[in-house]
Amino acid sequence: QVQLVESGGGVVQPGRSLRLSCAASGFTFSTYGMHWVRQAPGKGLEWVAVVSYDGSNKYYADSVKGRFIISRDNSKNTVYLQVSSLRSEDTAVYYCAKEEYDSDGYRFFDYWGQGTLVTVSS
Amino acid sequence: DIQMTQSPSSLSASVGDRVTITCRASQGISNYLAWFQQKPGKAPKPLIYAASSLQNGVPSKFSGSGSGTDFTLTISSLQPEDFATYYCQQYINYPFTFGPGTKVDIK
Repeated sequence: QVQLVESGGGVVQPGRSLRLSCAASGFTFSTYGMHWVRQAPGKGLEWVAVVSYDGSNKYYADSVKGRFIISRDNSKNTVYLQVSSLRSEDTAVYYCAKEEYDSDGYRFFDYWGQGTLVTVSS
Repeated sequence: DIQMTQSPSSLSASVGDRVTITCRASQGISNYLAWFQQKPGKAPKPLIYAASSLQNGVPSKFSGSGSGTDFTLTISSLQPEDFATYYCQQYINYPFTFGPGTKVDIK
């Protein structure tokens, strides 16, 4: 069965960096795009970034553009999110999510990981 | 960016009630609309995609409808396990955006 397991979260000072990982199993990882979505404590869901199946295309939310980098290693079935220049407003649970394709070829989420908490605090 | 709104923001209902949640997009998104259920401390669970298609394993008491800018999620007979927060999300283009959520709690 599909499993997505995030790791790498923790407490980090403002301005510092962290690398989040999401290890995938149970599907052919190299054929699906992967996303990161975050949720600040007590708040709603915010889409963060997507990387295409082969890593060639990446898109970001304006709130993280220039500070976060999404990447993937298909040999390790893992997607990463390098989070840099962290701010207090980046404090959130970060989820990775797998894409699936609908009949028109548009991409929706069909599986989510359990999330990893990033706390930005001095 | 496409803005998503939901109404109501919260509702109280009883077991067995029929519940309807509304989602509106700031511009037409055809049927590229998904619904998620989230319980406290848990990851969102996908319920519906393409406005009305059930994800694998989701019971048929959940149904979705709509196209363009206006969408609904209906739970036909609310059960104790359905008390949660529900989010809609558009996926017609980036950035994907979510509604603010509708919290369904016990009356």
